[in-house]
Parts: sequence; structure tokens; C-alpha cells
Amino acid sequence: EIVMTQSPATLSVSPGERATLSCRASQSVNSDLAWYQQKPGQAPRLLIYGASTRATGIPARFSGSGSGTEFTLTISSLQSEDFAVFYCQQYNDWPREYTFGQGTKLEIK
Amino acid sequence: QVQLVQSGPEVRKPGASVKVSCKASGYPFPSYGIAWVRQATGQGLEWMGWISVYNGNTNYAQRFHDRVTMTTDTSTTTAYMELRSLRSDDTAVYYCARRGGFSDFWGQGTLVTVSS
Repeated sequence: EIVMTQSPATLSVSPGERATLSCRASQSVNSDLAWYQQKPGQAPRLLIYGASTRATGIPARFSGSGSGTEFTLTISSLQSEDFAVFYCQQYNDWPREYTFGQGTKLEIK
Repeated sequence: QVQLVQSGPEVRKPGASVKVSCKASGYPFPSYGIAWVRQATGQGLEWMGWISVYNGNTNYAQRFHDRVTMTTDTSTTTAYMELRSLRSDDTAVYYCARRGGFSDFWGQGTLVTVSS
């Protein structure tokens, strides 16, 4: 099983500032990496797939980068609605398991 | 528009089974797989497995492979996830989601509570 490790566990950022979230894989997943946002009481929402492709309707302030084992989600100018928990997921480990990271909580500073 | 609508909350005793349904609409059902993901209260997301609607092939996470069965009914565009031999730590919200790799549309979640 590929282990996904996200850092930090909690990130405190002020609205309007930039947020940078990290995700590391225990072995290479190429670019088979997705990012999700989850707000309390809601299902996850796909933000990024293929490490850097924004999903339909996702604002341009969300961007993803990386390949292999190191990945980054950047939110360029935080809006109030952006504060949530973010998860990365690898889907390269076919046909075994598509594992999630443990999540990063992005909170208002 | 794409929608995945799941069945309602369930309560089961330890050792019992539960079967959650996921009704899909707004897209050609056989064209995409269905994944199942669960989330215990206050915890992260846990990928359980997925099923190809096209040919019925399944891929289960190792920790669930002997207790879970995922199926689909193309006549009703509905996917099902059955989990057997339930334990208290199976208490969680269970989500279905479209696609077997990354998931672009999600159901609203079904709370399964396991309690004696």
C-alpha cells in the first residue's frame, strides 16, 4: 500500500494570503494525484486531478504541482469560503488501493 | 446534471450486515466506475474499493476484501455496497463517488451506526 503523508496537519492563514499544502507519497505515483476539499457536513469536492489539472468549475486561485512523490496544493489568495479540510489521494497503485492522505485543516488566522 | 443519491441512515448490531445503495443519474451509467469511501466521525477519508460498471470488475482495499461486496444494477443505474460482520469501528459515513481513480462527483453520504 502506498502511504500518503500530508503536512502540516493544521495551517493557519489570513484571508487574502497564500496557502501552501504538501503531500508526500511513500513511492512514486507519477502524476496520479488528486486534491479534494471537504467542509463540515459535506461530501468531498474534487479540486485537482492529474496533479495539476483543475476540475470543472474550480477557481484559478487553486493550483496543483509536483510529480513522483512530492506534491503541492497552492491557494493563491484565500477567500472565506476556502477554509476547510484538504485531502490528497493517489490513484496510481492499480489495481490495489487508491489511498488518501490524513488531511490538512486550513483555518482562519 | 450528474447526481448520486444514497440511501438513508442505518443502524445495525455487531456481526450484522448492511447494504447501502447509490442511485446515479445525469450521465451514461456504464461509462464510469463507482468508488466507495468511508469516513468515521472526525476522521479522514478511507478508500474501500471500486467497481467497473461496464464489466463488473471490482478492486477492494485489502483490509475490506473479505467483508465487502460491491455490485451494480444497470437497469436501475444503482450501485450497492454491502459490508458484513460489522464491528463498532465500522460506524462511519459511507460515500459513493463516480470514477474508480479520482472521483469527480460524490453522493451525500450514508451514516451507518454499529451499536449493540
